[in-house]
Amino acid sequence: GQQVMQIPQYQHVQEGEDFTTYCNSSTTLSNIQWYKQRPGGHPVFLIQLVKSGEVKKQKRLTFQFGEAKKNSSLHITATQTTDVGTYFCAGPTGRRALTFGSGTRLQVQP
Amino acid sequence: EAGVTQSPTHLIKTRGQQATLRCSPISGHTSVYWYQQALGLGLQFLLWYDEGEERNRGNFPPRFSGRQFPNYSSELNVNALELEDSALYLCASSFSGGNKNIQYFGAGTRLSVL
Repeated sequence: GQQVMQIPQYQHVQEGEDFTTYCNSSTTLSNIQWYKQRPGGHPVFLIQLVKSGEVKKQKRLTFQFGEAKKNSSLHITATQTTDVGTYFCAGPTGRRALTFGSGTRLQVQP
Repeated sequence: EAGVTQSPTHLIKTRGQQATLRCSPISGHTSVYWYQQALGLGLQFLLWYDEGEERNRGNFPPRFSGRQFPNYSSELNVNALELEDSALYLCASSFSGGNKNIQYFGAGTRLSVL
């Protein structure tokens, strides 16, 4: 079956440093989604990428979808303590099902 | 518009008992998904219901079951509880139109098995 892998599992940065998490799928994806889960919270949808090579920005967050539509990345510029949480990527495995990556937990030291 | 609601927020059971968790999707969403998230771990897919039918299930034993009602709300039942069933159980719903499968999550039910 489809596998979605994320690296790193965990990253600890100083506030102001940049952060990147990578997502790789074993199969080509029609789209990829990113979710954020704050400590003690539930996953919240961030963005969906659909086109090959697509790049989208949300303030300090930059999302990329690979040319082959099998990988994606999330880059945060100048992290803040509000960025703390676990970031999940997810790819569709059927009409409406999703396979979630294992997540990258980000810790930001003030 | 109300989001996905789950009840109860917390549930404490003892080993061998049964637990029932409930989920109400966002109005207009017909798909409901259940996930298990053990402490500090990722989302493990449990079940997917759409239009009242079970469409897919993850790699969990049969004692994890559920159903979806005509109003699209859903129930997750866990029989013969084991200690390792202690986790956050998340429900999500998605819109039925087009090919969008963005999932909206509820706050979860934290199940503790003693």
